[in-house]
Amino acid sequence: SQELEQSPQSLIVQEGKNLTINCTSSKTLYGLYWYKQKYGEGLIFLMMLQKGGEEKSHEKITAKLDEKKQQSSLHITASQPSHAGIYLCGADSADSWGKLQFGAGTQVVVTP
Amino acid sequence: DTEVTQTPKHLVMGMTNKKSLKCEQHMGHRAMYWYKQKAKKPPELMFVYSYEKLSINESVPSRFSPECPNSSLLNLHLHALQPEDSALYLCASSGENQETQYFGPGTRLLVL
Repeated sequence: SQELEQSPQSLIVQEGKNLTINCTSSKTLYGLYWYKQKYGEGLIFLMMLQKGGEEKSHEKITAKLDEKKQQSSLHITASQPSHAGIYLCGADSADSWGKLQFGAGTQVVVTP
Repeated sequence: DTEVTQTPKHLVMGMTNKKSLKCEQHMGHRAMYWYKQKAKKPPELMFVYSYEKLSINESVPSRFSPECPNSSLLNLHLHALQPEDSALYLCASSGENQETQYFGPGTRLLVL
C-alpha cells in the first residue's frame, strides 16, 4: 500500500509568517489531495494535483507536486489565525479506485 | 454546492443499542464513502459504494452495516458496538471518475 509521510508533525508560526508542509510518498502519486481539518470536524478540500510539476494557488495557499510525482508541498504565505488547523495530504491508490490514503497530518498553530 | 450533510452530529450509545448514522449529498455524485477517525489519527476508509453497490469493504467488523438506499443517501447501521469503536465517523462523496472526495462534518460517536 502507499505510504504518505508528512512533515513536520506540528508547527507553531507567528501571524504574518510563512509556513511550508511537506508530503512524501513511497510510490508515484497519481492524484494528491490537500485537506484541512479543524479538530473534531470534517475535512475541507483545498487542492488537488495530478501532473508532475503542477502548482496551484488559492488565496494565500500554494500547493506543488514535484516532477517525479513523489513529493508535494503546501505553502501558506502571511499566515492568519484562520489558517490554524490540521493539514492532511491524501493520495489515490494506483491499484484500487476510491481508496484514499492519508498522511498522519500536520497541526498548525498560529500565534498573535 | 459541495455540501455533504451528516446526522446526528453527536451520538452516545450503549453496547447493546442499535443506532444509525445518516449521510446525504445532492451533488449527483455516484460514489459515497464511510471513514472512521480516531483522535489525532488520519481518517481510515471503511466502505465505498459505487452506483449504490458496495465496492470496497476494508475488513470492517459486521457490527457495522452500511446501506445505500439511493444515490443521494448513505447509512451506517450500528449494533453491539464496543467502546473502542468510539470515534469521529466521516462520510464523503465523489464523482464517477475518481474525482475529489468531499467530506461531511462527521458524527462524533461515543460508545459506553
